[in-house]
Amino acid sequence: DAGVIQSPRHEVTEMGQEVTLRCKPISGHDYLFWYRQTMMRGLELLIYFNNNVPIDDSGMPEDRFSAKMPNASFSTLKIQPSEPRDSAVYFCASSRQGETGEQYFGPGTRLTVT
Amino acid sequence: GIQVEQSPPDLILQEGANSTLRCNFSDSVNNLQWFHQNPWGQLINLFYIPSGTKQNGRLSATTVATERYSLLYISSSQTTDSGVYFCAVPRSFGNEKLTFGTGTRLTIIP
Repeated sequence: DAGVIQSPRHEVTEMGQEVTLRCKPISGHDYLFWYRQTMMRGLELLIYFNNNVPIDDSGMPEDRFSAKMPNASFSTLKIQPSEPRDSAVYFCASSRQGETGEQYFGPGTRLTVT
Repeated sequence: GIQVEQSPPDLILQEGANSTLRCNFSDSVNNLQWFHQNPWGQLINLFYIPSGTKQNGRLSATTVATERYSLLYISSSQTTDSGVYFCAVPRSFGNEKLTFGTGTRLTIIP
């Protein structure tokens, strides 16, 4: 079974541009999580979904960030407009209902905003 | 919220050596995960271990939930074991959100 798939793997963009990160969770998983990792702040949970419904978006840094999950096999994290301080590695993870905490991470998207 | 501490923060070992990494947590948990973040940045699941002991090749993990700690053992270290090892526990019992430890950076020297 394929793991969590993320695209693109690397993204370089200029400040002010819109950035869209994509994630395909493991088939059959009910939870999807978006994380951001930086040297300064470590791993931060941005938002998570259960059965495609956003449950907790308290980690989303500001209104420039938005996330959607239109179906069980696809989610996007959008940053508009992007800023240099958004540069980080963004991870998507998924888990199955009833197995609390056993999350599987995608390979991440390394975002650089110049 | 729950606090998670890992030790040591850094560990440098010769290839072939054994190591023990520790994860302490401040409250009862119903599960615990160990991850390895390799030098390319990928986060790899090692163990899902709420209690007891599990083994996978040269790696094993033990969680003593009543004493609020977990240990990760790496035997006969290889250079591919280098990276950062994280433990993570739910923020509260039954919570889907994880609290990650600050990690142990392991460097294996050939």
